[in-house]
Amino acid sequence: DSGVTQTPKHLITATGQRVTLRCSPRSGDLSVYWYQQSLDQGLQFLIQYYNGEERAKGNILERFSAQQFPDLHSELNLSSLELGDSALYFCASSPLSGTQYFGPGTRLLVL
Amino acid sequence: AQTVTQSQPEMSVQEAETVTLSCTYDTSESDYYLFWYKQPPSRQMILVIRQEAYKQQNATENRFSVNFQKAAKSFSLKISDSQLGDAAMYFCAYRRSGAGSYQLTFGKGTKLSVIP
Repeated sequence: DSGVTQTPKHLITATGQRVTLRCSPRSGDLSVYWYQQSLDQGLQFLIQYYNGEERAKGNILERFSAQQFPDLHSELNLSSLELGDSALYFCASSPLSGTQYFGPGTRLLVL
Repeated sequence: AQTVTQSQPEMSVQEAETVTLSCTYDTSESDYYLFWYKQPPSRQMILVIRQEAYKQQNATENRFSVNFQKAAKSFSLKISDSQLGDAAMYFCAYRRSGAGSYQLTFGKGTKLSVIP
């Protein structure tokens, strides 16, 4: 158990819908990262937050957004969902410059 | 941009034998970190080992060790005394050091099968 929690574990929804994925980092970690794992794109970095502020953006679509709250949990919002958004979404946490530990992931299926 | 290449999509090893997974990377940075993560069928991403580029000594964690060749930009993972539980996808990852983003750049992975 990495200490990073993600909910829900599985999510099935329809095209055009909006979903919210939630992540709670390890105790004491201020940084949260979101990654997407899909068959065709592999593991890709989406976005990083540090202590409530956006630190870096990767290959994140404009339909996706994230935020980190004062209690350090983070949410990834995916809207106008398309079939191609089906993937495993990971959250990872770390101290600012430390090793990243991953949560169990949320498996999203868009039908 | 940094890239990470794992040239072996699949490998297999007999139980109790030794196997080496390859990884090469491309960067213009002199200071960085390299990682191997394991992803078993449960899909959980588990840290196996970490190497700091400024350290010449190769990292070791129990049956797992790396061969880090900085000049060649090579970072291979050796698994000794392979066990059935080692069967998984293995991902090599790079992270820059210094200020800024600490995002991981991953290779495409190597699927390791362990034959009883």
